[in-house]
Amino acid sequence: GDSVTQTEGLVTVTEGLPVKLNCTYQTTYLTIAFFWYVQYLNEAPQVLLKSSTDNKRTEHQGFHATLHKSSSSFHLQKSSAQLSDSALYYCALNTGYQNFYFGKGTSLTVIP
Amino acid sequence: NTKITQSPRYLILGRANKSLECEQHLGHNAMYWYKQSAEKPPELMFLYNLKQLIRNETVPSRFIPECPDSSKLLLHISAVDPEDSAVYFCASSQDNHRGTGGSSAETLYFGSGTRLTVL
Repeated sequence: GDSVTQTEGLVTVTEGLPVKLNCTYQTTYLTIAFFWYVQYLNEAPQVLLKSSTDNKRTEHQGFHATLHKSSSSFHLQKSSAQLSDSALYYCALNTGYQNFYFGKGTSLTVIP
Repeated sequence: NTKITQSPRYLILGRANKSLECEQHLGHNAMYWYKQSAEKPPELMFLYNLKQLIRNETVPSRFIPECPDSSKLLLHISAVDPEDSAVYFCASSQDNHRGTGGSSAETLYFGSGTRLTVL
């Protein structure tokens, strides 16, 4: 079946250092899109990044991710973490026809 | 996100009945109810497309959805259980069918949620 895997439940990084959140997926569909959602405390998930093009880098708010179909991955990276980046991050897959699959989420904490 | 409004924002219930309301101003054709328990991703409860209920996940019968028009969604809850304490998100997306080409994969947008606390 279709699924998304986020291997780290908790990630702690020092402010100013790079951060990488891992996301891999499994799907048999060809028409697909990938997302990173960010959820701040007591708020709703909101779209951070979206991609459906293989090997194309997508950037927003200092974060970037590249879909690699060869390795079934869509990792999220940032070169310099900020305190305000502390939040829950969900990787998600849409296989079309309103079928969305969420990973279990990674809680990112940025410390001074 | 003011484009998908939900009410009430907070709800504290004993065994009473209550309805959650959602309205989206994005012109989307698909609307969803998600439940998010602490430390978990959102879990799909119901999905409507053009006012038709097309996904009904394993949800207790005390939760009854209603879609009075394509921009509004209701969730009626009766005789709540403590396990129902969670945040309930309304969401919407625009699915653009491409005939034999299948469906394009569109973005899911969430409302601000209703935090339900069951006493």
